[in-house]
Amino acid sequence: DTEVTQTPKHLVMGMTNKKSLKCEQHMGHRAMYWYKQKAKKPPELMFVYSYEKLSINESVPSRFSPECPNSSLLNLHLHALQPEDSALYLCASSQVPGPTYLNTEAFFGQGTRLTVV
Amino acid sequence: ELKVEQNPLFLSMQEGKNYTIYCNYSTTSDRLYWYRQDPGKSLESLFVLLSNGAVKQEGRLMASLDTKARLSTLHITAAVHDLSATYFCAVVLPAGKSTFGDGTTLTVKP
Repeated sequence: DTEVTQTPKHLVMGMTNKKSLKCEQHMGHRAMYWYKQKAKKPPELMFVYSYEKLSINESVPSRFSPECPNSSLLNLHLHALQPEDSALYLCASSQVPGPTYLNTEAFFGQGTRLTVV
Repeated sequence: ELKVEQNPLFLSMQEGKNYTIYCNYSTTSDRLYWYRQDPGKSLESLFVLLSNGAVKQEGRLMASLDTKARLSTLHITAAVHDLSATYFCAVVLPAGKSTFGDGTTLTVKP
């Protein structure tokens, strides 16, 4: 199973709403990532979790709050978003790079297309 | 700050022709990845390049890495329509931060 599953696939939310994006993998990967991708742009790294601990936060606004409840799950909690936050949100997972794992190929989920109205 | 430059950004090719996409980066890197993205879809991993001189091939695509020149290439041989997509390189620093190039949108015409 080389799948990363993201739910929901599409989400429309108002600026006062609270919602969550979910990501799940069962490949035993201990690194999980959130990316944001605007139309016709490359993905931008938001957060990295390594062994369920937040290891990289790319100065993302606090209205985005990540959570890694266990080694298979990654959530992104959304609150008081702005219309400019509308984008494709991609989750990915990989082995944690190190002496044990040289091949750290990242597998991406299908993404959640978020529209903030 | 890591900068990753891809060129060309847009590439229109005839079927059967060869071409190379270039990915230059500005600082020492741990790893370099190539991805494919179809319109409205997610990213598909093509290659992971870990060391200087690494060369990997899959079908009509071949990727190479020159860490001294900080350059990776993605070579397309005898292009076919199914290769039409956007191709990204991504460079990962030892600390784990990754930066993507702007992408090359490839269109293969009959």
